[in-house]
Amino acid sequence: AQSVTQLGSHVSVSEGALVLLRCNYSSSVPPYLFWYVQYPNQGLQLLLKYTTGATLVKGINGFEAEFKKSETSFHLTKPSAHMSDAAEYFCAVSDLRTGRRALTFGSGTRLQVQP
Amino acid sequence: DSGVTQTPKHLITATGQRVTLRCSPRSGDLSVYWYQQSLDQGLQFLIQYYNGEERAKGNILERFSAQQFPDLHSELNLSSLELGDSALYFCASSVGGQAEGEKLFFGSGTQLSVL
Repeated sequence: AQSVTQLGSHVSVSEGALVLLRCNYSSSVPPYLFWYVQYPNQGLQLLLKYTTGATLVKGINGFEAEFKKSETSFHLTKPSAHMSDAAEYFCAVSDLRTGRRALTFGSGTRLQVQP
Repeated sequence: DSGVTQTPKHLITATGQRVTLRCSPRSGDLSVYWYQQSLDQGLQFLIQYYNGEERAKGNILERFSAQQFPDLHSELNLSSLELGDSALYFCASSVGGQAEGEKLFFGSGTQLSVL
């Protein structure tokens, strides 16, 4: 079954520092991969997605992620953290059990940004 | 604002009771997805409806059921409630029926507390 593993349930960085949130996937076929963000008291919002083509995907708010098949990874990065980036981030993969109709989410990583 | 409306925002009830959660998708979206978010299980896909018909099923308990009405709003019915059903229930919508190729728009959720 397809799944994603997010390493680190909490990550803390200083404002202006590099953000790196890790996601590894397992899939028997080429996956479609996503990063969603959840701000406090809100629903999830799509940051970026990888389907096919270019392996470096740029998303909103300066985030990007690189699909690395050899490492089965889809890590999320941002060169310089802002206070407004504090949120919970979820990696997700399309769920073949549902005919790719639904997404399977990781357990989430809470990003804290220190002033 | 994602355009997806969920009501109520909070619901407190007792074990053994039945509740109904409501979701209105974004205008023009035909698919509705229900997810359950809890501390121990994370984000779990429950069920998807597309244009009134059930499209995909996830980890939905037999005590839970859903439907999508002709006006495309959806209801998730939870019965014989147990303490473990306490969670944040999200509804998401998309234009078509394949989550992997589309952007999901999430509502802000219904927080269910079973006492």
